[in-house]
Amino acid sequence: GAGVSQTPSNKVTEKGKYVELRCDPISGHTALYWYRQSLGQGPEFLIYFQGTGAADDSGLPNDRFFAVRPEGSVSTLKIQRTERGDSAVYLCASSFLPGDSYEQYFGPGTRLTVT
Amino acid sequence: KNQVEQSPQSLIILEGKNCTLQCNYTVSPFSNLRWYKQDTGRGPVSLTIMTFSENTKSNGRYTATLDADTKQSSLHITASQLSDSASYICVVSHYKLSFGAGTTVTVRA
Repeated sequence: GAGVSQTPSNKVTEKGKYVELRCDPISGHTALYWYRQSLGQGPEFLIYFQGTGAADDSGLPNDRFFAVRPEGSVSTLKIQRTERGDSAVYLCASSFLPGDSYEQYFGPGTRLTVT
Repeated sequence: KNQVEQSPQSLIILEGKNCTLQCNYTVSPFSNLRWYKQDTGRGPVSLTIMTFSENTKSNGRYTATLDADTKQSSLHITASQLSDSASYICVVSHYKLSFGAGTTVTVRA
């Protein structure tokens, strides 16, 4: 059975460039979450989707970050004008439904390095 | 200030030995507390999940405890194996997850 997959696994980009990170959730999971994990830290919430809509985007650090989930399945995290401080592992997770009762299953992450 | 604090930051133990990891949190109220294991280069994987009314939960050699009065949790690893080498993250859930920074455990032969 397929778990959460993320592509690419690694991305190196130059400061100021635009990047897109993709997440394929577990089939049938309606909730999808994006987290950012800096070295030596736990994941930090960015945004979560219930279906196609962003139910909570309060964790996005600024307007350079944007995420979409147009068909309620695959999601793309988009970062404009990347900065060196954006370097981190970006984790995606999905759950059958949102809420505390449902387990979140994490993907392996995309390691973003901004040079 | 992080609402979930873990200690120690890292520890090294010999294979076969036991260890206990600590988690203090200030998130209130909360729905449940979870412990995740994160291998290097992988996403976190759930070990245990406890509601505020539960005191202990086991998953094989992993046993988590929760004291909701003192807002403390612990994860005990029994008879450690080399494959237990990983980061262990305490997560407190209330609508969304608040993660601790993790404890890095290294098991040596």
